[in-house]
Amino acid sequence: QSVLTQPPSVSGAPGQSVTISCTGSSSNIGAGYHVHWYQQLPGSVPKLLIYGNTNRPSGVPDRFSGSKSGTSASLAITGLQAEDEADYYCQSHDSSLSAVFGGGTKLTVL
Amino acid sequence: QIQLVQSGAEVKKPGASVRVSCKASGYTFASYVINWVRQAPGQGLEWMGRMSAHNGHTAYAEKMQGRFTMTADTSTSTAYMELRSLRSDDTAMYFCARGYGAGSGPYFDYWGQGTLLTVSS
Repeated sequence: QSVLTQPPSVSGAPGQSVTISCTGSSSNIGAGYHVHWYQQLPGSVPKLLIYGNTNRPSGVPDRFSGSKSGTSASLAITGLQAEDEADYYCQSHDSSLSAVFGGGTKLTVL
Repeated sequence: QIQLVQSGAEVKKPGASVRVSCKASGYTFASYVINWVRQAPGQGLEWMGRMSAHNGHTAYAEKMQGRFTMTADTSTSTAYMELRSLRSDDTAMYFCARGYGAGSGPYFDYWGQGTLLTVSS
């Protein structure tokens, strides 16, 4: 049971948009800790996708965007492409400053 | 370029110990924190702990306290993790990851390639 809750799976057709939610509590996201997102392609190492709730590292397409409100955060992907098919994880911290992850969401591009 | 290169795959018997290394290059090792994250087969990411390469301060996930130790050698820019009293449910891919940022919660900007640990009798 992960501290942060994500939907196990989402799907969308090429060109469509999807949103992945990440729900926490008042002891992590709601306490003001930043939310970060990682993309893990099949058989690969996790890659930083969004940091500090809304920021994209250099090289990440602007089709990926993050937001945060209250005890939740979301990752939006627009203009879905086949290469976006991957697992996505949200990450934050809790009041003990331990890092916490969501359980991961598998994105299928139909 | 920044790289974290981990040691190779390990196969251990239950009850044994394992030590995994993570050699950093391309940045000032002592200025950052190294985190350890594991991923069991088909499962999600689990944070294990972090260590400041500067002062050796550590923080462990509650679940990992007691069997898990992190160390670092600043002379070789290498971080180590040791896991003792291995069990079958320790079978996983183990990643080191550099922590960046502070205050409102650091993120993991560079990751090692992973070390597969298999615990089996």
